[in-house]
Amino acid sequence: AQSVTQLDSHVSVSEGTPVLLRCNYSSSYSPSLFWYVQHPNKGLQLLLKYTSAATLVKGINGFEAEFKKSETSFHLTKPSAHMSDAAEYFCVRMDSSYKLIFGSGTRLLVRP
Amino acid sequence: EPEVTQTPSHQVTQMGQEVILRCVPISNHLYFYWYRQILGQKVEFLVSFYNNEISEKSEIFDDQFSVERPDGSNFTLKIRSTKLEDSAMYFCASSEALPDFYSNQPQHFGDGTRLSIL
Repeated sequence: AQSVTQLDSHVSVSEGTPVLLRCNYSSSYSPSLFWYVQHPNKGLQLLLKYTSAATLVKGINGFEAEFKKSETSFHLTKPSAHMSDAAEYFCVRMDSSYKLIFGSGTRLLVRP
Repeated sequence: EPEVTQTPSHQVTQMGQEVILRCVPISNHLYFYWYRQILGQKVEFLVSFYNNEISEKSEIFDDQFSVERPDGSNFTLKIRSTKLEDSAMYFCASSEALPDFYSNQPQHFGDGTRLSIL
């Protein structure tokens, strides 16, 4: 079955330091991958999507993700964390019938 | 920027009662979805809807669930006889079109309805 695995349930960083949220996907010919963010009491907001046109995908709020087929990974990064980045982040893939398969989520904590 | 809106934000219902969760998708979108997230668990797919009929439904989406697009704007999820285990956050989503190889059409989500069954 197609799936995504988020390797960390919680990540804690200091403000101004880099962020790395890890995601691996089960092997597929051409996965459709996304990162969504959920701030407290808010819905799921699209951060970025992988379109196969480029392996490095830039999203909103300074986030980017790199698709690495050899590692079946799609890790989310940001060079410098801001307090407003504190939220839950979901790695998501779209399966062959166009429904979304969510990872278990990574809660990002940003320390002042 | 256009948004998916969901009402109510929080619904409290007695077990066995019927509940209707409402969603207004983005106006030019054609594909509609419901997902739910039980506290502490993954977000999981319930149903997709296109051209006034269900496209796909999960095993969770049994006979107590139904969806409807009663007019040109609303998309509703009805739970006929609620159970304690139906307590969850329910998310509505919509997308403009199905994805193709060159362009993954993302699904846009509402803020969710928190359903609490007592």
